[in-house]
Amino acid sequence: DGGITQSPKYLFRKEGQNVTLSCEQNLNHDAMYWYRQDPGQGLRLIYYSQIVNDFQKGDIAEGYSVSREKKESFPLTVTSAQKNPTAFYLCASSKNPPGRSNQPQHFGDGTRLSIL
Amino acid sequence: AQSVTQLDSHVSVSEGTPVLLRCNYSSSYSPSLFWYVQHPNKGLQLLLKYTSAATLVKGINGFEAEFKKSETSFHLTKPSAHMSDAAEYFCVVSGLNDMRFGAGTRLTVKP
Repeated sequence: DGGITQSPKYLFRKEGQNVTLSCEQNLNHDAMYWYRQDPGQGLRLIYYSQIVNDFQKGDIAEGYSVSREKKESFPLTVTSAQKNPTAFYLCASSKNPPGRSNQPQHFGDGTRLSIL
Repeated sequence: AQSVTQLDSHVSVSEGTPVLLRCNYSSSYSPSLFWYVQHPNKGLQLLLKYTSAATLVKGINGFEAEFKKSETSFHLTKPSAHMSDAAEYFCVVSGLNDMRFGAGTRLTVKP
């Protein structure tokens, strides 16, 4: 079955450490997204990519970085510059970017990141 | 600019009674609207979507939503709640390269 795979499910970060969250999709979707979810808040967009080798900052990109070297993969690095990284991180994909079509986003099951 | 407001952060119903989750949106365009459901420690699953066709949209698991342009609303309903419906629900507005999520409504279903 096609879908989005996020790994690991749980991740712990030490002070001053960079960590990378994995996101892989086999849906042949062009667009991919990273969201941060905090309790009592909706999803906030960190980065998105509409095509390979291209990505754009979302609303809360500071302290994060991404790459899009392959269509299937969109890893997110949480850098030491992100002072409050504890959150649930969700990766999503869609056939076309929002607004250019009516395609919904498909989500992975998330990675929960905590500070040690 | 677009925005979406979910009017209730928490809704509690008894099993077998109707469910109403309220969503108002603001958009300068003709938006697409979505409802997603999220179970604990899981990703979001699409329940239904409105894309300028019929204003009454039927989704999975017996949910439906009605698009009311005059009221800028897209409320989610279900005639009879099941225990398995307990989850977080998100209303989403999409248009012109921008997608905005509501803050979510937590649905509790009492036996």
